[in-house]
Amino acid sequence: GESVGLHLPTLSVQEGDNSIINCAYSNSASDYFIWYKQESGKGPQFIIDIRSNMDKRQGQRVTVLLNKTVKHLSLQIAATQPGDSAVYFCAENTGGFKTIFGAGTRLFVKA
Amino acid sequence: EAQVTQNPRYLITVTGKKLTVTCSQNMNHEYMSWYRQDPGLGLRQIYYSMNVEVTDKGDVPEGYKVSRKEKRNFPLILESPSPNQTSLYFCASSSNTLQETQYFGPGTRLLVL
Repeated sequence: GESVGLHLPTLSVQEGDNSIINCAYSNSASDYFIWYKQESGKGPQFIIDIRSNMDKRQGQRVTVLLNKTVKHLSLQIAATQPGDSAVYFCAENTGGFKTIFGAGTRLFVKA
Repeated sequence: EAQVTQNPRYLITVTGKKLTVTCSQNMNHEYMSWYRQDPGLGLRQIYYSMNVEVTDKGDVPEGYKVSRKEKRNFPLILESPSPNQTSLYFCASSSNTLQETQYFGPGTRLLVL
């Protein structure tokens, strides 16, 4: 598959452990945040989102935390599986039609 | 099946030879967008369209054109490609709600020699 990022920050975790991927966003006016997962050779896929009036949101095995004070977003993946290996992007939206993506973090899951 | 399709998936061309990358969605989405993805830079928005005949520039529009004559199609046009446009391109769509998640196509890998 295609390489989507040759020099990305990398997180390596053991299968079954929890993963935490961090993201610093740029615009204090951003009010909607999304995490995407990108597997090799594929387009980004929506994982979970959160609006600025919340500080935590949970999905299936994933949790997103938002700290507006320090403009920080994190994605927690519980019981990480080999299928979670991918590049993860955070994205921010200020309410218009423009979405700003972070550079991404590569997650390796060791069996 | 709800999807965004792009063609071609891979393209090698030479500097100055006009090309078009097609994008089509079958979800009746009003909003569509083009991104380019380069190593270490994430996805950068090239152009977006809020509806038929309504388009606007993203963050990196130079060297690109788009059109939106039909709701389902949003082609990306490179009138005179240059090597710095070598990249991985993604088309995306979402419903007309301003803060809806986007659905991405599979990507088009372009090499300009």
